[in-house]
Amino acid sequence: GQQLNQSPQSMFIQEGEDVSMNCTSSSIFNTWLWYKQDPGEGPVLLIALYKAGELTSNGRLTAQFGITRKDSFLNISASIPSDVGIYFCAGQLRYTGANSKLTFGKGITLSVRP
Amino acid sequence: GAVVSQHPSRVICKSGTSVKIECRSLDFQATTMFWYRQFPKQSLMLMATSNEGSKATYEQGVEKDKFLINHASLTLSTLTVTSAHPEDSSFYICSASPEPYNEQFFGPGTRLTVL
Repeated sequence: GQQLNQSPQSMFIQEGEDVSMNCTSSSIFNTWLWYKQDPGEGPVLLIALYKAGELTSNGRLTAQFGITRKDSFLNISASIPSDVGIYFCAGQLRYTGANSKLTFGKGITLSVRP
Repeated sequence: GAVVSQHPSRVICKSGTSVKIECRSLDFQATTMFWYRQFPKQSLMLMATSNEGSKATYEQGVEKDKFLINHASLTLSTLTVTSAHPEDSSFYICSASPEPYNEQFFGPGTRLTVL
């Protein structure tokens, strides 16, 4: 099945630093979502974006829905140790019905050095 | 907030046996639930979309006779892995949407190990 492009696979940053992650697709989506997954657990929604060009913040997290509807980025500011985890982007075509299924990126594993 | 549970959290079974995994929406009704499989260090891959009262829609390459999905009520969907093989060992995660909203809430996952 289709996957969104996320790279690099792993990122290593120092506590207090900012980090930015990008996600791209060959096709358009009408909703972009960013999830965080801790080991052995299900993903937790961080930010949802519903409109092209939209910029949304959730605490230290900021995400943007690309104008072309084919990309999105997530920025984490002033990282802390609990930011460690796997960050997935996901695209969604429609709000309800069969096309409300999510297409996920490969994920980026973030490590934060104290 | 919307909570989705899964049971069991971990299961170990012998090759050839069947295993049932439950997914429940605890505080909302979900017309649609989704089942994903995640192998180590990989992304979530959608297996099927489960609709209450109707047959599930399977993604290409997913055997519907091997992965039986039943969505008998608005709060419960089950995934049964039939005649399990070691290659079926994986992390199975469900999600549910409290429609008409589009946000999907994920369960904590079930770790299946087939010996």
